[in-house]
Amino acid sequence: DQQVKQNSPSLSVQEGRISILNCDYTNSMFDYFLWYKKYPAEGPTFLISISSIKDKNEDGRFTVFLNKSAKHLSLHIVPSQPGDSAVYFCAAMEKLTFGTGTRLTIIP
Amino acid sequence: DTGVSQDPRHKITKRGQNVTFRCDPISEHNRLYWYRQTLGQGPEFLTYFQNEAQLEKSRLLSDRFSAERPKGSFSTLEIQRTEQGDSAMYLCASRRSGENTEAFFGQGTRLTVV
Repeated sequence: DQQVKQNSPSLSVQEGRISILNCDYTNSMFDYFLWYKKYPAEGPTFLISISSIKDKNEDGRFTVFLNKSAKHLSLHIVPSQPGDSAVYFCAAMEKLTFGTGTRLTIIP
Repeated sequence: DTGVSQDPRHKITKRGQNVTFRCDPISEHNRLYWYRQTLGQGPEFLTYFQNEAQLEKSRLLSDRFSAERPKGSFSTLEIQRTEQGDSAMYLCASRRSGENTEAFFGQGTRLTVV
């Protein structure tokens, strides 16, 4: 049972434009969500998180939005840069349940 | 470097051999997690510890897998009688207990069973 889903396995975005990565979850008990970025042969790197008491959290070029009624969150990256090309995972606490990831490619 | 450290980074072993991986968490983090990741999938939860207590173990984890955190600091993950299906990246993460704290990952151990 996939409790955290990322339905887009890949996404290509022009450099400088906005990248939007989506994530859906099924367990209404999840109350803390995180986004991680992963390069090949490395461990995931923490990007940004959001608590269920908020609907938005912003950190520099990264903004995460949470829609609890729809059980949906999204990560916005603006402006997108070539170094953002990686696989992005969303995850939900308590024990960090991960989605399957979205491979983001930024086109120069 | 005060991040999460995993050793070794790569391990190639013959089918049927036992392997052991080590994870050193960030020093003030009392929660430690193990995950397995295969190609095209997200990290899959294996087990986690609060201090030295193993609080949860995935049902997917066969009895060939065992993890310990004897003094509440570093942890080891052992796989006995390895199979080719065990080939994966094994990831360790740590975090402070309590609400809304981030988990930080090590670089992972890439296991190849031949």
